[in-house]
Amino acid sequence: GDSVTQMEGPVTLSEEACLTINCTYTATGYPSLFWYVQYPGEGLQLLLKATKADDKGSNKGFEATYRKETTSFHLEKGSVQVSDSAVYFCALTRGGTYKYIFGTGTRLKVLA
Amino acid sequence: ETGVTQSPTHLIKTRGQQVTLRCSSQSGHNTVSWYQQALGQGPQFIFQYYREEENGRGNFPPRFSGLQFPNYSSELNVNALELDDSALYLCASSQRTSGPTGELFFGEGSRLTVL
Repeated sequence: GDSVTQMEGPVTLSEEACLTINCTYTATGYPSLFWYVQYPGEGLQLLLKATKADDKGSNKGFEATYRKETTSFHLEKGSVQVSDSAVYFCALTRGGTYKYIFGTGTRLKVLA
Repeated sequence: ETGVTQSPTHLIKTRGQQVTLRCSSQSGHNTVSWYQQALGQGPQFIFQYYREEENGRGNFPPRFSGLQFPNYSSELNVNALELDDSALYLCASSQRTSGPTGELFFGEGSRLTVL
């Protein structure tokens, strides 16, 4: 069945460091890919998405590119801030299923 | 615009009991999905409701059931609670016309502890 694998955390970085959180997926067909973020005390919220191969999603300085050849959707940011501390979830859905499959999440802690 | 609200935020039950969790969807959304998030895990899809009918179900037993009301709010019911049901239960609303890649809007969840 479909699945999402994320790098395990926690990831601890200093402010202004570069971030990469790896995400790979297994799915039949052509899924849409997402990154959701969960800030402390808040619900999950969409960070960015990509719906077809080679699409790049971006938001708040974060980027991820849909790589079908490597079945990956790695999250990147050039310079993290303390306010980026949160849990990040990679997810996919396939057209017609309306079911989202999430990875286990990666906790990011950014130190000042 | 009112976001997704869930109640209660926390509750404690004992094995064998039954629980009902409630969700009010975001204004204008006609679809509600429920997810179970165990500690340290990602959300797992339980089921989705659209037009008051279940429309897709994950790998959860029948003792997990739900309802959607005409105002698009929803309930999740779990019977015969087991210790492994302890988790954060997330409700997510979306607009079906946005298609399957439409954004999910999540509530903050209901944390259930089963003793």
